[in-house]
Amino acid sequence: DQQVKQNSPSLSVQEGRISILNCDYTNSMFDYFLWYKKYPAEGPTFLISISSIKDKNEDGRFTVFLNKSAKHLSLHIVPSQPGDSAVYFCAASGSTGNQFYFGTGTSLTVIP
Amino acid sequence: GAVVSQHPSWVICKSGTSVKIECRSLDFQATTMFWYRQFPKQSLMLMATSNEGSKATYEQGVEKDKFLINHASLTLSTLTVTSAHPEDSSFYICSATDRPPFEAFFGQGTRLTVV
Repeated sequence: DQQVKQNSPSLSVQEGRISILNCDYTNSMFDYFLWYKKYPAEGPTFLISISSIKDKNEDGRFTVFLNKSAKHLSLHIVPSQPGDSAVYFCAASGSTGNQFYFGTGTSLTVIP
Repeated sequence: GAVVSQHPSWVICKSGTSVKIECRSLDFQATTMFWYRQFPKQSLMLMATSNEGSKATYEQGVEKDKFLINHASLTLSTLTVTSAHPEDSSFYICSATDRPPFEAFFGQGTRLTVV
């Protein structure tokens, strides 16, 4: 049973525009959420995170929004750049850190 | 960010043999390590969570006797795929954290091919 879901397997965006990647989760015990970027045959690299006590966290071009009532989070990248093309995974963790689950990933392509 | 080193990055083995994959945290003490498996074009599937000095907690459907995990120190965890078969061929990734539940740092992954 997939506890973290990303319903869009792929997304294409023009360079300079906003990329919005979505993630839904089912386990209400998750209270820390993260986004990772992954290139083929490499381990994921951490991008940005958000605690459940917040609804927004911003770091440069990346902003993560959390809607706890809807069990939904999103990652906004603006402006999008060709180097942002990768697979993006959202992940969720419980308060003990002994659960760390990934979504199914969204492949982002930024078109120059 | 913190560095997690995974070795080997690529291994081919014969069916029926065992393969050990190492995961090391180089500049921090990893209280918790995670092992994932990724099939082509699929998500990272959590296999097990291990805390230093205790037995690993396996996810449902993961065979404990086939995927042996040892987290003997705060900087090293190993995953041994025992009696490997072609269907075990996959990309295995470890991650480590020193401050759960915050971000975990990932190794570069190991491509296992069983022939």
